[in-house]
Amino acid sequence: RKEVEQDPGPFNVPEGATVAFNCTYSNSASQSFFWYRQDCRKEPKLLMSVYSSGNEDGRFTAQLNRASQYISLLIRDSKLSDSATYLCVVNKGGGNKLTFGTGTQLKVEL
Amino acid sequence: DVKVTQSSRYLVKRTGEKVFLECVQDMDHENMFWYRQDPGLGLRLIYFSYDVKMKEKGDIPEGYSVSREKKERFSLILESASTNQTSMYLCASSPPDRRGYTFGSGTRLTVV
Repeated sequence: RKEVEQDPGPFNVPEGATVAFNCTYSNSASQSFFWYRQDCRKEPKLLMSVYSSGNEDGRFTAQLNRASQYISLLIRDSKLSDSATYLCVVNKGGGNKLTFGTGTQLKVEL
Repeated sequence: DVKVTQSSRYLVKRTGEKVFLECVQDMDHENMFWYRQDPGLGLRLIYFSYDVKMKEKGDIPEGYSVSREKKERFSLILESASTNQTSMYLCASSPPDRRGYTFGSGTRLTVV
């Protein structure tokens, strides 16, 4: 079983749509969780951390379910500029080593 | 803004060559990391370092070594490049708490 699993997509959605990505992780000792965004041929960039109580940053909402070892990212009112690959990232249960999912590709269309 | 700078954007090397990939960060971060990214496999950790002259193996260290003589610089060395080391190499740094990483813009290495 992979340490971090994501649906690779692609998710093709119209502009203005709401889209949700899910991610599961295998190490129950993991303590830090993030969503990164990676544009084509660019480096990953931190989108947001994910907190136990859930957190929101503008149109983006992240949720964590520790019991099910599940993380989600919700994007409301999708923009063309949201088109990218979204990486689910989990720390390896201590220290600051991060494990990256293989990413979910989002394409927002007119 | 935290800056992580990788010395080369694109690199082409021959099989058997010794290859040095350099990474420099300007935010006094303790932690530095080298990953490679391949289609379908995602980012995989090669080596990391929590302090000067300190290094630890990641998930795929075979065929690689690293050097951290100064806090701001973390070098990845391919002792004898092979074609299966053709990949995108990403360097990252982070502070000691559990905030996320900042990545460099990557080095796309092709070994022929």
